Amino acid sequence: GQSLEQPSEVTAVEGAIVQINCTYQTSGFYGLSWYQQHDGGAPTFLSYNALDGLEETGRFSSFLSRSDSYGYLLLQELQMKDSASYFCAVRDHGNYGQNFVFGPGTRLSVLP
Amino acid sequence: NAGVTQTPKFQVLKTGQSMTLQCAQDMNHNSMYWYRQDPGMGLRLIYYSASEGTTDKGEVPNGYNVSRLNKREFSLRLESAAPSQTSVYFCASSEAIGGRAYEQYFGPGTRLTVT
Repeated sequence: GQSLEQPSEVTAVEGAIVQINCTYQTSGFYGLSWYQQHDGGAPTFLSYNALDGLEETGRFSSFLSRSDSYGYLLLQELQMKDSASYFCAVRDHGNYGQNFVFGPGTRLSVLP
Repeated sequence: NAGVTQTPKFQVLKTGQSMTLQCAQDMNHNSMYWYRQDPGMGLRLIYYSASEGTTDKGEVPNGYNVSRLNKREFSLRLESAAPSQTSVYFCASSEAIGGRAYEQYFGPGTRLTVT
């Protein structure tokens, strides 16, 4: 079956750098996405990796290693507003045709 | 642009009641999705519609039905609500299931409680 694993919680201080890891197991694989969700809010798209390597978007970067079935989201110059849950997600062909699978989420707390 | 809108925002149902969650998008997206999110968990796909006129089951379709009314609207129906369906429901859309489907735009969610 398909499954993704992420750490449940991460804590860091303002201005620091934090890395959120994601490992996945899928029957097919098109790429790894990352979403941010503030408490009570909707998920918002952050980044996507289809190929191995690093993608940078401002303070956020995302990395993928297809051979290791592993990726991470790197947040630099942390700000209080970055306190949120972060989800990795894959799209693959599962038992249900096109399948979109989200990880359980990592809750990031940024301390002053 | 409003993006993805959902109604209602909150709903309380008694076991056995039925209701329809409405979703609309104004981004001219082809693909639309319904997810549920339980406390402390990720999103699970209920149904999706790759394009107008087509719908397919996701990971957790039991107890739900969907209708892709037109390109803009995708509704989710609970025929006989059960307490296990207490959750937050998100509708999402993307350009195309084979293209930028990885970039999904989510509505604000419907918080449903079944007593």
